[in-house]
Amino acid sequence: NAGVTQTPKFRILKIGQSMTLQCAQDMNHNYMYWYRQDPGMGLKLIYYSVGAGITDKGEVPNGYNVSRSTTEDFPLRLELAAPSQTSVYFCASSTPGFRASPLHFGNGTRLTVT
Amino acid sequence: GENVEQHPSTLSVQEGDSAVIKCTYSDSASNYFPWYKQELGKRPQLIIDIRSNVGEKKDQRIAVTLNKTAKHFSLHITETQPEDSAVYFCAATLNTGGFKTIFGAGTRLFVKA
Repeated sequence: NAGVTQTPKFRILKIGQSMTLQCAQDMNHNYMYWYRQDPGMGLKLIYYSVGAGITDKGEVPNGYNVSRSTTEDFPLRLELAAPSQTSVYFCASSTPGFRASPLHFGNGTRLTVT
Repeated sequence: GENVEQHPSTLSVQEGDSAVIKCTYSDSASNYFPWYKQELGKRPQLIIDIRSNVGEKKDQRIAVTLNKTAKHFSLHITETQPEDSAVYFCAATLNTGGFKTIFGAGTRLFVKA
């Protein structure tokens, strides 16, 4: 069981470039999440998905897009990178039933936009 | 939407002392409160959680308390050790047509040997 796998680990983008952060989980979790963590700060929810084909906005969705075509994958797309998107991005998954359950995090992608 | 506030932002204690981190949440619909520990350069990992139908939960040196009326919850670490040094995040989860977890800003704990 690899858990939650994120690629790439590091990336440097120029302003205006686009990229996709990949996230995959092999735990058959129905929920998946994207958070960003700015230096010395907490985690802010960008988007989340309760299952394949369903996504919803979190606290800071502007500048990002997501899709969930399969249970396993939840890619995060940045269309026009801006310096304000410099951050560490964490993908997470969980499997709540009737009750909430803990998040399982990937190792993160460190993104720098210059 | 839900808002979680966490205090203090930095906490320094002597090895063997206790550490307390406090959080408040705004949405009374939140009913699950996990705590995560993040070591430098690593991913956050769950250390303890509590549900809204429970007032206190302990796991060895770690305990969490919840006051639903006041919308407060706290993490208590006793007999601190240098390996407890890390950033600790509180969080609140609510169901708004899907479970959503909102985090506090984090507390950086230093345990001095």
